[in-house]
Amino acid sequence: KQEVTQIPAALSVPEGENLVLNCSFTDSAIYNLQWFRQDPGKGLTSLLLIQSSQREQTSGRLNASLDKSSGRSTLYIAASQPGDSATYLCAGMTNAGKSTFGDGTTLTVKP
Amino acid sequence: NAGVTQTPKFQVLKTGQSMTLQCAQDMNHEYMSWYRQDPGMGLRLIHYSVGAGITDQGEVPNGYNVSRSTTEDFPLRLLSAAPSQTSVYFCASAAGPGTEQYFGPGTRLTVT
Repeated sequence: KQEVTQIPAALSVPEGENLVLNCSFTDSAIYNLQWFRQDPGKGLTSLLLIQSSQREQTSGRLNASLDKSSGRSTLYIAASQPGDSATYLCAGMTNAGKSTFGDGTTLTVKP
Repeated sequence: NAGVTQTPKFQVLKTGQSMTLQCAQDMNHEYMSWYRQDPGMGLRLIHYSVGAGITDQGEVPNGYNVSRSTTEDFPLRLLSAAPSQTSVYFCASAAGPGTEQYFGPGTRLTVT
């Protein structure tokens, strides 16, 4: 059974700092890994999708990496802004279409 | 495109009542899924479908039924609501395996 863990559960940083969010998974047979952002009381917004054959994806100030051999993915946020404050979730999907989510990291960026 | 739509946005049920949460997508996606999210937790997969007429159980399927008669719609039925089913329910769709999942806005369900 796939298990996905996100560490830390919460993170508070000053504006402008670069930071890394971690996601680890137990089943290296994941087909892809997707990072999402969730604002309080809202739905999920897709940030980045990394296919199993890829090692990283970039979008603006965000960079996500995937290392299947070690069971880890990281989301790097450069030059953090108060608007980045949200909960960040990672999800691993199998080729059968089943996704397993971590519990998320709640990020607070202080002005 | 409307993307993934869910109705209703909010619902209050009494224990033992049944209801159907609606989910529709207009992107011609083959994959659709239902998740529940409890406070402070990630999403847990209830049921999923890889195409019309095909459904399978996720991590927490008990108390829920699904069917997929069309590509566009994937309703979730609560057979006999229980307080433990109080949660926020999200529907998602994807074009296929390994592709990006898109989420609906969610249905907040309270069972008293």
